[in-house]
Amino acid sequence: DAKTTQPTSMDCAEGRAANLPCNHSTISGNEYVYWYRQIHSQGPQYIIHGLKNNETNEMASLIITEDRKSSTLILPHATLRDTAVYYCIVRVADYGGSQGNLIFGKGTKLSVKP
Amino acid sequence: DSGVTQTPKHLITATGQRVTLRCSPRSGDLSVYWYQQSLDQGLQFLIQYYNGEERAKGNILERFSAQQFPDLHSELNLSSLELGDSALYFCASSVGLAGGPPYEQFFGPGTRLTVL
Repeated sequence: DAKTTQPTSMDCAEGRAANLPCNHSTISGNEYVYWYRQIHSQGPQYIIHGLKNNETNEMASLIITEDRKSSTLILPHATLRDTAVYYCIVRVADYGGSQGNLIFGKGTKLSVKP
Repeated sequence: DSGVTQTPKHLITATGQRVTLRCSPRSGDLSVYWYQQSLDQGLQFLIQYYNGEERAKGNILERFSAQQFPDLHSELNLSSLELGDSALYFCASSVGLAGGPPYEQFFGPGTRLTVL
């Protein structure tokens, strides 16, 4: 799996959009970008994933640059409960049994402040 | 609630002992993954099972072993425990291994192991 680079920490005001960047400059054509988050020692939680098109779900939006070398996770209206470590992970699309696991980096610690 | 259950929530034991951690995947999920999270190593993949068979190994020590049973629940066995094995152990499950986009994994609440 390709390596990702994320800022160590970010702050965001409650109610504002949180934009979390991720660089994955060595991403391959068959690798997806996944985002997970971990709220203080709880199990990681899946947020969203994408290949090359922008994606949106009830939790967040994922913007992937045209060259796919970077992406941004957007939490449109951050709340205090969104305070967590956010992990950007790239994974191969066709995993024939050996690439199913997630490789977590250090992630970005997002602090949402009142 | 992810639908993945893990027992026990907390476990305190002594060095040299053996423990078993249990995981029940979401209904219908065939793949089970085990991860270890310690303060200095972060979240690390240990091992994956799919429908009862071992499919991938990560940084799992020889003192550790796992299995997945016919009802798809999984157990992680940790033996000859050392102080450094103290960590959070997470189990995750996903639908399966079919080709196409890798399926998202759903994580359980974890088991906190303390080795004294």
